[in-house]
Amino acid sequence: QVQLVESGGGVVQPGRSLRLSCAASGFSFSRYGMHWVRQTPGKGLEWVAVIWYDGSNTFYTDSVEGRFAISRDNSKNTLYLQMNSLRAEDTAVYYCARDNGGFDLLGDIFDYWGQGTQVTVSS
Amino acid sequence: DIQMTQSPSTLSASVGDRVTITCRASQSISSWLAWYQQKPGKAPKLLIYEASNLESEVPSRFSGSGSGTEFTLTIDSLQPDDFATYYCQQSNTYPLTFGGGTKVEIK
Repeated sequence: QVQLVESGGGVVQPGRSLRLSCAASGFSFSRYGMHWVRQTPGKGLEWVAVIWYDGSNTFYTDSVEGRFAISRDNSKNTLYLQMNSLRAEDTAVYYCARDNGGFDLLGDIFDYWGQGTQVTVSS
Repeated sequence: DIQMTQSPSTLSASVGDRVTITCRASQSISSWLAWYQQKPGKAPKLLIYEASNLESEVPSRFSGSGSGTEFTLTIDSLQPDDFATYYCQQSNTYPLTFGGGTKVEIK
């Protein structure tokens, strides 16, 4: 069965960095686009970034462009989110999610999600 | 960015009721609309994609309709397991955006 397991969350001071990981299993990871989505009580669900199945393309929401970087290692079936220059408003539960389309045919919807990892940015 | 607006934000209903949730997009998104169900402490679950296609293993009491800017999620004969929060999401354009959610509560 498809499993996505996030790790790397925690409490970090403003301006510092954090890297999230998402270990995938139960499917051919290298065939699927992958996303990061975050959720806060106040702002609800917010899409953060997407990466193509082969890492050839990435897109970000405006508020993280230039600060966050999504990447993947298909040999390790792992997705990453490098978060730099963190701000209080980045505080959220971060989910990795599988795109429902394979290879170049991204559907840009999320058919499997991890359990989420909490990131808290606070001094 | 495309804004997604859901209504109502909260809905009180009883087991067996028919429930309808509306999602409006700030510009046309054709049929690029998905619906998710989320329970407290859990990740969202995909219910419907491309406005009206039921995801595998989702009960048939869930249905979706609409195109352009107005969409609905209908739950026929609400079951105890259906009390949750529901979100719409557009997949027409980056950045992908979600509605604010509709919480379905027990009446």
